[in-house]
Amino acid sequence: QVQLVESGGGVVQPGESLRLSCAGAGFTFQRHIIHWVRQAPGKGLEWVAVISHDSRNHFYADSVKGRLTVSRDNSKNTVSLQMSWLRPEDTAVYYCARGPITWGTGYMDVWGKGTPVIVSS
Amino acid sequence: DIQMTQSPSTLSASVQDRVTITCRASQDIQDWLAWYQQKPGKAPKVLIYKASSLESGVPSRFSGSGSGTDFTLTISSLQPDDFATYYCQQYNNYPFTFGQGTKLELK
Repeated sequence: QVQLVESGGGVVQPGESLRLSCAGAGFTFQRHIIHWVRQAPGKGLEWVAVISHDSRNHFYADSVKGRLTVSRDNSKNTVSLQMSWLRPEDTAVYYCARGPITWGTGYMDVWGKGTPVIVSS
Repeated sequence: DIQMTQSPSTLSASVQDRVTITCRASQDIQDWLAWYQQKPGKAPKVLIYKASSLESGVPSRFSGSGSGTDFTLTISSLQPDDFATYYCQQYNNYPFTFGQGTKLELK
């Protein structure tokens, strides 16, 4: 069935790096925009980043710009989120979510179950 | 960035009640608005897209309306499974932004 599965979360110290992955299955992964959304403990949803189907376009939230980088490998049906210079306020569950096949905007119709990231000394 | 403001933050209601949640955008987003439902420990699930279009598989008791800056999500007859947190989200332009959420509680 159509699904997204995140992996790579864990516990890191401030200033360290982490790489999250999002694997897609059950649909034509290489045609779709993929988003990352995070949720800090007890808080609401925060959109983080997006990458177009062909990697030509990406946007980031101001809160992560310059520290997080999104990339994809369509041959492996995966999108990665490289997280550097992590801060305690980056502690959250990170979800990947599917967007449409057309670049522009579009809502997120399929979500993974999320992977937790804890940044603590 | 476009700010999304939901009200109320918490809503207490009973099974079979009709409830409405509102969402206001800080600027015109046309009808590029989605509503999501989230239960504790679970990923969000889309209910409504393009302000009023029902996502496939979502019960018809959910409906959305509005355009421009003011939007509503209505549940016509609350069911036990509907007690959750609801978020609106604009996708008119990047960065996408969510409302702060409305927690629907059992009265």
